[in-house]
Amino acid sequence: SQTIHQWPATLVQPVGSPLSLECTVEGTSNPNLYWYRQAAGRGLQLLFYSVGIGQISSEVPQNLSASRPQDRQFILSSKKLLLSDSGFYLCAWSVGREANEKLFFGSGTQLSVL
Amino acid sequence: LAKTTQPISMDSYEGQEVNITCSHNNIATNDYITWYQQFPSQGPRFIIQGYKTKVTNEVASLFIPADRKSSTLSLPRVSLSDTAVYYCLVGPNTDKLIFGTGTRLQVFP
Repeated sequence: SQTIHQWPATLVQPVGSPLSLECTVEGTSNPNLYWYRQAAGRGLQLLFYSVGIGQISSEVPQNLSASRPQDRQFILSSKKLLLSDSGFYLCAWSVGREANEKLFFGSGTQLSVL
Repeated sequence: LAKTTQPISMDSYEGQEVNITCSHNNIATNDYITWYQQFPSQGPRFIIQGYKTKVTNEVASLFIPADRKSSTLSLPRVSLSDTAVYYCLVGPNTDKLIFGTGTRLQVFP
């Protein structure tokens, strides 16, 4: 069966510090991968999605970046965090080749930038 | 991508049936309708998916009229544990799946 791992679960970082969040998927190959962010009490905002290694599409211009160095690994990074980067970050995957697409989410990372 | 519109919030009491409607006027021929449930501090989880008419599983039912411009998620006999945010998504096999604001369901004892 497929599983998705996301870490860390919580993170407190000072403004201006770098960020690296990692997500890995097991049990499937060539998944579509996604990073979402959710501000407190708000809906999910799609940040990045990837359909293959090295293929990243950005939905929202910002100081975040994403990389996909391996087929089932997706990394969210920042060189200098802003206060506005605080939020709940979710990684998700989908099969990516079916009309009835379903998303499967990781457990999320609660990021607090102070 | 078809845009979705849902009520921001709904209240209910335990044991009642809850119906949450999602509008998607620009749904395309090959779009499916998918609903997710999200609890606080957790990622959304898949509830139900349909293309037309009615779909039922152990958790919910999904009603889709013939024109497919809306859909209704039906939760039978809700309990306190059904308090969550419910998202409606509409889309085909695209590379990105965008969530709307969702409906915050509060179930009272």
